[in-house]
Amino acid sequence: EIVLTQSPATLSLSPGERATLSCRASQSVSNYLAWYQQKPGQAPRLLIYDASNRATGVPARFSGSGIGTDFTLTIRSLEPEDFAIYYCQQRFTWPPITFGQGTRLEIK
Amino acid sequence: QVQLQQSGPGLVKPSETLSLTCTVSGDSLNGKYWSWVRQPPGKGLEWIGYIYGSERTNYNPSLENRVTISADTSKNQVSLKLRSVTAADTAVYYCARENQLGRTAKLYFDSWAQGTLVTVFS
Repeated sequence: EIVLTQSPATLSLSPGERATLSCRASQSVSNYLAWYQQKPGQAPRLLIYDASNRATGVPARFSGSGIGTDFTLTIRSLEPEDFAIYYCQQRFTWPPITFGQGTRLEIK
Repeated sequence: QVQLQQSGPGLVKPSETLSLTCTVSGDSLNGKYWSWVRQPPGKGLEWIGYIYGSERTNYNPSLENRVTISADTSKNQVSLKLRSVTAADTAVYYCARENQLGRTAKLYFDSWAQGTLVTVFS
């Protein structure tokens, strides 16, 4: 099973600041990695696929990078609606499909 | 535009079977992967398994001895059954579609239902 480790667990920032979230895989997943955003009481929403491609309707301030075992989600200038929990996910080696444990992005 | 609507009881007794249904509109079950994912309160996401179309299934090894995912193409529904539940199975359960995206057509969860909180409670 591929384990995805996200850091930090919690990130406290102010609107307008830049957020950098990390996801590290226990073995290579090539670029088969996605990022999801989840707000309280809502289902996850796909943000990034193939490590760096924005899903339909995702604002340009969200970007993803990385390949192999180390991945980054960057939010260029935080908007109030960006404060949420973010998960990475891989399907390179399965079963099982696995998710990271999440990074909570909170308002400072 | 695809929509996924879940139904099923929110309370299940220990040792009984959890049963949920996901009704799909705006897409056919055929040729697509339909997964169940759960999330214990305050915790992260766990993939339970998928059904491809109406026949081929694949489960998380941690749950495969208790779970069955099936499909009814006449009703465009996917169902989840989880047997012998305990308090550890208390979670929000989501059904989700995996869709092929990008030039390499890899699979990602691009559509999700609203989720159902299932509490195992005696």
